Amino acid sequence: GNSVTQMEGPVTLSEEAFLTINCTYTATGYPSLFWYVQYPGEGLQLLLKATKADDKGSNKGFEATYRKETTSFHLEKGSVQVSDSAVYFCALLHGSSNTGKLIFGQGTTLQVKP
Amino acid sequence: DTGVSQNPRHKITKRGQNVTFRCDPISEHNRLYWYRQTLGQGPEFLTYFQNEAQLEKSRLLSDRFSAERPKGSFSTLEIQRTEQGDSAMYLCASSQYRHRYPEAFFGQGTRLTVV
Repeated sequence: GNSVTQMEGPVTLSEEAFLTINCTYTATGYPSLFWYVQYPGEGLQLLLKATKADDKGSNKGFEATYRKETTSFHLEKGSVQVSDSAVYFCALLHGSSNTGKLIFGQGTTLQVKP
Repeated sequence: DTGVSQNPRHKITKRGQNVTFRCDPISEHNRLYWYRQTLGQGPEFLTYFQNEAQLEKSRLLSDRFSAERPKGSFSTLEIQRTEQGDSAMYLCASSQYRHRYPEAFFGQGTRLTVV
């Protein structure tokens, strides 16, 4: 079946450090891939997405590239800020499914210290 | 429109009681989803509606759970005879199906604690 695996957290970084959060997926066909962010006390917000192989999604300094050969969609940011502290979820939407339902990874907590 | 709204934000109930949650989606969105998120885990799909029709239910949705979306607007999720294992965050999301890669907009969730 379809699944998403994220690196274990929490990830603790100092401000301005480089961030990588690993995400790999298992799916038949060609899923679309997403990163959602959940700030404390808030709902999930779409951070970025990529709908086909080699696409790069980007937003607010975050980037992720859809790598079909390694079935990965790692999230990166060159210089994190304290305000980036949140829980990050990788998710897939199966390409052949009409339902629109998302399959999420378990989430990775990021804590950025000043 | 202020986005997806969920009420209540928090609910504490005794085991065996019934609870009902409400979700108001973004007004022009025809699809509405319910997810459940337990501590340290990602959201898991429960069910979804297109307009008023409930099109799919996860095996996670036992017969104690029922969801409705009368008139294709707001939705309710009811849990009967709550159990401690029902304690979780219940998330609602909505999207517009017309788009090929519809973005799902999530509410802030209802946190249920069963004591």
